[in-house]
Amino acid sequence: ETGVTQTPRHLVMGMTNKKSLKCEQHLGHNAMYWYKQSAKKPLELMFVYNFKEQTENNSVPSRFSPECPNSSHLFLHLHTLQPEDSALYLCASSQLDRSTDTQYFGPGTRLTVL
Amino acid sequence: SQQGEEDPQALSIQEGENATMNCSYKTSINNLQWYRQNSGRGLVHLILIRSNEREKHSGRLRVTLDTSKKSSSLLITASRAADTASYFCATSNFNKFYFGSGTKLNVKP
Repeated sequence: ETGVTQTPRHLVMGMTNKKSLKCEQHLGHNAMYWYKQSAKKPLELMFVYNFKEQTENNSVPSRFSPECPNSSHLFLHLHTLQPEDSALYLCASSQLDRSTDTQYFGPGTRLTVL
Repeated sequence: SQQGEEDPQALSIQEGENATMNCSYKTSINNLQWYRQNSGRGLVHLILIRSNEREKHSGRLRVTLDTSKKSSSLLITASRAADTASYFCATSNFNKFYFGSGTKLNVKP
């Protein structure tokens, strides 16, 4: 629908597990983002990558580890998460050298930490 | 915080009525955008208004921007049940995006 795909769509994990979220954009954009969306809270920007380089880390705990191997793929590696990390994790991409910096979102991964 | 704040938090109307949502922000912006989110899904871009524009239309959507008051409004005319969703404003400044908590719109058939 939007050219940004995310897998898996749903993930249930225990606090001692290690898992990864994957995002792929097919739009030729040069920037990718991870957001966390919790109930009744503003969308929280977690990480920003411009041309594969991390340019923003909004005080995210180290149990979240992003990886951007190329401008089309973005991962979020998860380990020793807490129940309060349960949320919808959204990936987005944009083209930064355009005057209209619209973000295109994936469908999200619904994460539940037990 | 530069985050946009939407008002009201929730809005329930009958099909065919107009829906108006407001957004306020705190610092200077390059542009302001409105997004829509269906339950548990990703956000979809609706419309962008630049800081030097005052009003913009797209189909049944009308957006206004008042930079002196640091506020914007989104009007959806002749609403439909399919418009039921959450609506977010996002302010943009040098490729950083700030979203509010959203307005949850329910359009009753």
